[in-house]
Amino acid sequence: DSGVTQTPKHLITATGQRVTLRCSPRSGDLSVYWYQQSLDQGLQFLIQYYNGEERAKGNILERFSAQQFPDLHSELNLSSLELGDSALYFCASSEGTTNEKLFFGSGTQLSVL
Amino acid sequence: GESVGLHLPTLSVQEGDNSIINCAYSNSASDYFIWYKQESGKGPQFIIDIRSNMDKRQGQRVTVLLNKTVKHLSLQIAATQPGDSAVYFCAERHNQGGKLIFGQGTELSVKP
Repeated sequence: DSGVTQTPKHLITATGQRVTLRCSPRSGDLSVYWYQQSLDQGLQFLIQYYNGEERAKGNILERFSAQQFPDLHSELNLSSLELGDSALYFCASSEGTTNEKLFFGSGTQLSVL
Repeated sequence: GESVGLHLPTLSVQEGDNSIINCAYSNSASDYFIWYKQESGKGPQFIIDIRSNMDKRQGQRVTVLLNKTVKHLSLQIAATQPGDSAVYFCAERHNQGGKLIFGQGTELSVKP
């Protein structure tokens, strides 16, 4: 167990809908990262937050947004969902900001029908 | 046996043999590298990491080798066990604070 908690484990929704994925980092970790994993793209970095502030952005679509709350949990919001958004979404956390030793959660499997 | 990463090839080894998983990274300025193991239905699990000022680092049954001259990283697993069956990812960090870039992974299959 990595100590990173993600909910829900599975999510099935329809095109055009909006969903929220939730992540609780390991105790003491201030950075939260979101990654998307699909069969054809591998693990793609979406966004990083550190202590409530956006730290770095990767290949995140404008339809997607995230935030980190004062208690350090994070949410990833996916809107106007398309079939191609179906993927595994992982949250990871680390102590600092330097992208070292990320610990990953079990992921949320999103299926857009 | 050995295999080249980044294209999700499959490496099949016999239980008890040593495994070598290879990874060619892209950026000569990368200063930090890390290996993850991902079992089916689970998130990536940290195995071992290494900084660019080192060329070898050992953990429990695992060794990571870094060859900066040819931009090559390898993960050696000693006495491979069925529980080692998983997809292994290497990742590089382009500089301190830069994001981790993951390779496509190598699937390791251990035959009992």
